[in-house]
Amino acid sequence: QKEVEQNSGPLSVPEGAIASLNCTYSDRGSQSFFWYRQYSGKSPELIMSIYSNGDKEDGRFTAQLNKASQYVSLLIRDSQPSDSATYLCAPQGNTPLVFGKGTRLSVIA
Amino acid sequence: GAVVSQHPSRVICKSGTSVKIECRSLDFQATTMFWYRQFPKQSLMLMATSNEGSKATYEQGVEKDKFLINHASLTLSTLTVTSAHPEDSSFYICSALRDRGTHEQYFGPGTRLTVT
Repeated sequence: QKEVEQNSGPLSVPEGAIASLNCTYSDRGSQSFFWYRQYSGKSPELIMSIYSNGDKEDGRFTAQLNKASQYVSLLIRDSQPSDSATYLCAPQGNTPLVFGKGTRLSVIA
Repeated sequence: GAVVSQHPSRVICKSGTSVKIECRSLDFQATTMFWYRQFPKQSLMLMATSNEGSKATYEQGVEKDKFLINHASLTLSTLTVTSAHPEDSSFYICSALRDRGTHEQYFGPGTRLTVT
């Protein structure tokens, strides 16, 4: 199974700031990744996927993949309290998806 | 996006009884579904892979006779917790594989099981 490492946090950012969530991986064969968001007491929801090196933007979210350094990150611009959740990254190549603990983000109003 | 439903969303049962949880893919066919369990402040743990028309594949340490999985159609998988005990109290989440090419999985809203 391809595995990832995430800082469990909590990562606290003030409202309106940029939240940066990072995920490192050890398997160079991992080509693409998913980012899921999980609110407390809820199930995960898919928010972004990234398949190639570089940045992918979707609204306030930007996913970044750096295959040379083996990390993938998620930037959230203009963070809102409603973004407070646990963010999970997962390599695309796994079926089923295997998650780590994720990073807990807290956006403080 | 793809929609996956679960029923019930919350259930309380007495120790020794059985509980059935349904997982449905509403707008796509899913030959493969997955069942996860999550304890408070823990990560999702995969329990089993459910394949339509065949036996489920269970992860190591998951009792197949206790957690019965049936995937009788392309849109429905069920998980039955038999002879439930308080330690089975957890958040059970199913997911459905929508696209084998992209490996996209969509999760149901989860079922909170409390065994008293």
